[in-house]
Amino acid sequence: AAGVIQSPRHLIKEKRETATLKCYPIPRHDTVYWYQQGPGQDPQFLISFYEKMQSDKGSIPDRFSAQQFSDYHSELNMSSLELGDSALYFCASSTDGNNEQFFGPGTRLTVL
Amino acid sequence: RKEVEQDPGPFNVPEGATVAFNCTYSNSASQSFFWYRQDCRKEPKLLMSVYSSGNEDGRFTAQLNRASQYISLLIRDSKLSDSATYLCVVNIPPYNTDKLIFGTGTRLQVFP
Repeated sequence: AAGVIQSPRHLIKEKRETATLKCYPIPRHDTVYWYQQGPGQDPQFLISFYEKMQSDKGSIPDRFSAQQFSDYHSELNMSSLELGDSALYFCASSTDGNNEQFFGPGTRLTVL
Repeated sequence: RKEVEQDPGPFNVPEGATVAFNCTYSNSASQSFFWYRQDCRKEPKLLMSVYSSGNEDGRFTAQLNRASQYISLLIRDSKLSDSATYLCVVNIPPYNTDKLIFGTGTRLQVFP
């Protein structure tokens, strides 16, 4: 069965650079979530989208923004990167009315 | 106090043992409860949803006690492949798209 796809899988950036992470949800899933997981930490909710509209916001820094497109894929844009942004970034998707979330393999971001 | 609390472990058990994990949550309005498992540096994978009546999936049994705001996971006949971190996950209402709050996870190591 098709799963959530994330790209790139690994990304290395320097401080103050920008990064864009992409997420392609499971087909027919209309809701996308972004999570950040630092080393030794549990995943922290950043932001979610339902039908291309932002539906909920968590601990997402102002330097980050995200959107969901008409084909339901989502992009997380990160600017002025800091060392502390180094983490695994997971995207998850679900269908409306079913809050079981399925996670992608994650993007490992390293900021040098 | 964290919104979802778990014993971090590690739990070291021999193959064939029965092991139980507990979790408490602070938001009494939460409606959805899950157990995820996460292998090192991989994405969280949905193990099972937890229903009020309790539910079983093979060797795994989940229980929910709403009055005590307590969730449990029982693993019978442990296998080496069960070694992972088990994440207790709770939704935070009342939003349309429920953001998930993760516990810090309980690490299980099954040895031969």
